[in-house]
Amino acid sequence: DAKTTQPTSMDCAEGRAANLPCNHSTISGNEYVYWYRQIHSQGPQYIIHGLKNNETNEMASLIITEDRKSSTLILPHATLRDTAVYYCIVKGVNRDDKIIFGKGTRLHILP
Amino acid sequence: DAGVTQSPTHLIKTRGQQVTLRCSPKSGHDTVSWYQQALGQGPQFIFQYYEEEERQRGNFPDRFSGHQFPNYSSELNVNALLLGDSALYLCASSLWWAETSPLHFGNGTRLTVT
Repeated sequence: DAKTTQPTSMDCAEGRAANLPCNHSTISGNEYVYWYRQIHSQGPQYIIHGLKNNETNEMASLIITEDRKSSTLILPHATLRDTAVYYCIVKGVNRDDKIIFGKGTRLHILP
Repeated sequence: DAGVTQSPTHLIKTRGQQVTLRCSPKSGHDTVSWYQQALGQGPQFIFQYYEEEERQRGNFPDRFSGHQFPNYSSELNVNALLLGDSALYLCASSLWWAETSPLHFGNGTRLTVT
């Protein structure tokens, strides 16, 4: 079962920052937080991952709370192409740890 | 740099038939994982292959089997197809020795069982 809780859906105005929350209150010390997104009719796309420090790349920023029980994915300037289902996943570093998808958040970017 | 490629993109089969789906991993990757995604659901893990061996398996019956070839490409086979096997089948590749290596997905094969 997925170890994360995400809102079912969210709306965001085009050009604004989209902030997607994720709760992972049972996260273990060696588990990373991963974010993927899936645009309609495509495979999931990796966005970013982190352990405890905030991370930023060309796609997004990941903010992880100090207690690591929740995180927020930030898309700084959302565009219509960011409309997708966003999955927050926790995964350990052991090789038998798998990427387990939940139902994700359906993000609608509004023009 | 070629990403993950899957073939065919779409497939229609009849109940009871067998199907083989194919996947070529991203260049440089050595591990292949397969997922099944039913409509409106998140992807469900089927199994993972490394060094031509099945390393992990999800909660799927033995009708689902796979193979990995020396060039790291992989096949997913499903026997005795059921209507419930209709789904998007996703292949993902990664690096075995990089513990935090993210998965890179293909765009999937849409299987319809009638």
